Amino acid sequence: SQQGEEDPQALSIQEGENATMNCSYKTSINNLQWYRQNSGRGLVHLILIRSNEREKHSGRLRVTLDTSKKSSSLLITASRAADTASYFCATGYSNYQLIWGAGTKLIIKP
Amino acid sequence: DGGITQSPKYLFRKEGQNVTLSCEQNLNHDAMYWYRQDPGQGLRLIYYSQIVNDFQKGDIAEGYSVSREKKESFPLTVTSAQKNPTAFYLCASTTAGSANEKLFFGSGTQLSVL
Repeated sequence: SQQGEEDPQALSIQEGENATMNCSYKTSINNLQWYRQNSGRGLVHLILIRSNEREKHSGRLRVTLDTSKKSSSLLITASRAADTASYFCATGYSNYQLIWGAGTKLIIKP
Repeated sequence: DGGITQSPKYLFRKEGQNVTLSCEQNLNHDAMYWYRQDPGQGLRLIYYSQIVNDFQKGDIAEGYSVSREKKESFPLTVTSAQKNPTAFYLCASTTAGSANEKLFFGSGTQLSVL
């Protein structure tokens, strides 16, 4: 099965700046999720946005979904060193499976 | 605390050997999943189980086997038929047998070939 596409592949910003990463997909979805993975660790769920929603917030995170463009973005505001991680989008198409992007590696410089 | 426990954290496999990765959850989740992660790539589904004593192949099941004898346990065996087993293996679970909802992940097992 084809993976979703994320860009950029890597992003390096100064602490305090905002970070934006994008996810595109090919066919209609039920929902889209964002996860964070610290190096060598498991994934942690951040936000789930359903196909009939356009925007969701959770703390410093803001996720948008544009189903007409088949794309989503994750914005992290006022970045911190602890935000350094890889971020993955996963699109839900069926009851059992998610399709995962290759991830964006985010580095926050002090 | 509720969660998913994977063990061991690191595992080494010799040529021709079968190895088993453990995954245990105390979240009372019905569905459990095994994913493989290669460097710089997303997750690929190996096997999943929506209920005890039942499991289904994912996208890359060849060379792997699983069992689901108990709700809380979903071990993965990497058989000698898997010729390129070096990867990071992640176990996950969710409620109600639907991966369209939030997944909870273990901390992973790094498997390497000696």
